[in-house]
Amino acid sequence: GENVEQHPSTLSVQEGDSAVIKCTYSDSASNYFPWYKQELGKRPQLIIDIRSNVGEKKDQRIAVTLNKTAKHFSLHITETQPEDSAVYFCAASIPGTASKLTFGTGTRLQVTL
Amino acid sequence: DAEITQSPRHKITETGRQVTLACHQTWNHNNMFWYRQDLGHGLRLIHYSYGVQDTNKGEVSDGYSVSRSNTEDLPLTLESAASSQTSVYFCASSDGSGAYEQYFGPGTRLTVT
Repeated sequence: GENVEQHPSTLSVQEGDSAVIKCTYSDSASNYFPWYKQELGKRPQLIIDIRSNVGEKKDQRIAVTLNKTAKHFSLHITETQPEDSAVYFCAASIPGTASKLTFGTGTRLQVTL
Repeated sequence: DAEITQSPRHKITETGRQVTLACHQTWNHNNMFWYRQDLGHGLRLIHYSYGVQDTNKGEVSDGYSVSRSNTEDLPLTLESAASSQTSVYFCASSDGSGAYEQYFGPGTRLTVT
């Protein structure tokens, strides 16, 4: 089955700096890669996703890049703010599995003042 | 507004007892999922369903069962609770028409003593 690895497990940045979280996946057939943000005590919520026919997608301060050849994808957050502090999860989905996702183990991002 | 709810939000039970966690969604989604979340492991899939009367095992299904008698509900049963099943449990749903986004419930914190 699919295996998703996520790094780093913790990341601390100063407010205004950029943050990058990286994930690799094992199944080259995977075609959907979402990123979820989970604030303390809350449910995971989708913040951005990308499909395998696209190399990059942006939404304001966040962007996701995908390298299908290397089987890795990354989340980029620019101009970080304290409210960006949370745990971020990447995931991957294989076609024909009705959106079944395999998640990475999460990255705890701390944005310091 | 459509939503996904879980009950109870907190549960303490004793080893060996049967426990059922409820998940109810009003999105009219075909796909429903149960995950457990533990520190260092991210979100791991327990069981999932593609529709009424359909259930499938995920990566950590031992000791758990589900049933799908209607579109809205996917209850998760712990047949004989064990301390290793102390965790936070999330239910999620997604549309079965090709959209991949999963919407998560608020979670249930289960403690097995």
